[in-house]
Formats: sequence, structure tokens, C-alpha cells
Amino acid sequence: AQSVTQLGSHVSVSEGALVLLRCNYSSSVPPYLFWYVQYPNQGLQLLLKYTSAATLVKGINGFEAEFKKSETSFHLTKPSAHMSDAAEYFCAVYNQGGKLIFGQGTELSVKP
Amino acid sequence: EPEVTQTPSHQVTQMGQEVILRCVPISNHLYFYWYRQILGQKVEFLVSFYNNEISEKSEIFDDQFSVERPDGSNFTLKIRSTKLEDSAMYFCASSELPPTANEQFFGPGTRLTVL
Repeated sequence: AQSVTQLGSHVSVSEGALVLLRCNYSSSVPPYLFWYVQYPNQGLQLLLKYTSAATLVKGINGFEAEFKKSETSFHLTKPSAHMSDAAEYFCAVYNQGGKLIFGQGTELSVKP
Repeated sequence: EPEVTQTPSHQVTQMGQEVILRCVPISNHLYFYWYRQILGQKVEFLVSFYNNEISEKSEIFDDQFSVERPDGSNFTLKIRSTKLEDSAMYFCASSELPPTANEQFFGPGTRLTVL
């Protein structure tokens, strides 16, 4: 069965600092992986996705993620955090039948 | 920019009552989904729907749940007899293309509170 694990339910960084949100996956087949962001009182918005075309994936708002098969990881990074990046971030893996399997989510706080 | 909309934003109901959560997917999308998130827990898949049929459903989606596309624009989730444990945020999503590597667009959610 496929699954994702997000390490750290809450991450706090200073404005301008590196953002690193961790996601590890488990999959018996080559996975399709996604990062979604949820701002307060809004729905989930796609940040980026991995579909096997390239291991380094660039997304919106300056975020990127690197697929590492050997580490079964798909960590999300941003070189310099902005206050507007404060939100909840979800890693997800696609399963059959249209099902996205989500991680627990990581709440990102950005300190001025 | 087209978006998925959901109504109501917040629904409060008594245990045992029926509720219908409504969603308007993006107009040219063909694949529809419901997810839920109990407070403090993961977002969980409930059901996917295509061509007026359920494609896949989770163990959560038991006989108390049903989905319908009553017209060309709405997609509804009905809970026949609500339980306390049904309290959660319910998200509707849609996608234009088959849901493999393609993005699912999510609505803002309906917060269901069962008293």
C-alpha cells in the first residue's frame, strides 16, 4: 500500500531563512507525488508535482522539491521564506482510482 | 480563474439528521472527488466519481454516504444519518483529465459539525 509520512507537524523559520519540509513515501510502483498548500480558510492548492519527468521539480511561489528514489523522499524547499508562506503544507501520493493519499501535514510559521 | 466552489461553508446539524454538501466543480472537468479532514488528522479520500458512476470509494464511504451529480454543474455528498464522528471538513475536488499525474483542484471546504 502507498503512504506518505511528513516529519514534523510544525516547522518555524525566520523570514529569509531556508524552508525545508520533509516528506517520505512508500510505494511499490513508481509514484506520482504532490505538494499542496492550504492557507487559512481556503482549499488545497497545488504547489508542484513529480511525474517522473525530472527529479528536481519547480513549483509556484519559489518552492521546489527533489525526488530521491534511494531515500524514498520528496522534500519541499524554498531558499528564502516570506511571511506569506505561513500555511499548512501537505505531501500526497497518487493511488489508483483517483485517490490521493495525504500526509499528516506540516504547519509552517514564519517569524519576522 | 476557474475554481471549485462549495456550499455551505459551515453546516451544523443534530446527530441522526441528513445533510447534503454541495459542490460546483470546474465546468469542463469530468472527474470528481470528496475528501474529508477530521480536526487534527490527515486529509482522507472518500470517493471518486466519473461518468455518473463511483470509480473508487474508501472504507469510510459506507452505506450512510452517497454522491450524486443531479445536473450538469453540481456534485453533492449526502450523509443520511449523521454521527458525531462525521464532524470534519469536507473537501470537494475535480480534475479535467484522468487522475493519475493530473492535478485535482480543491474547493475551500465545508465544515460539518454534528451535535
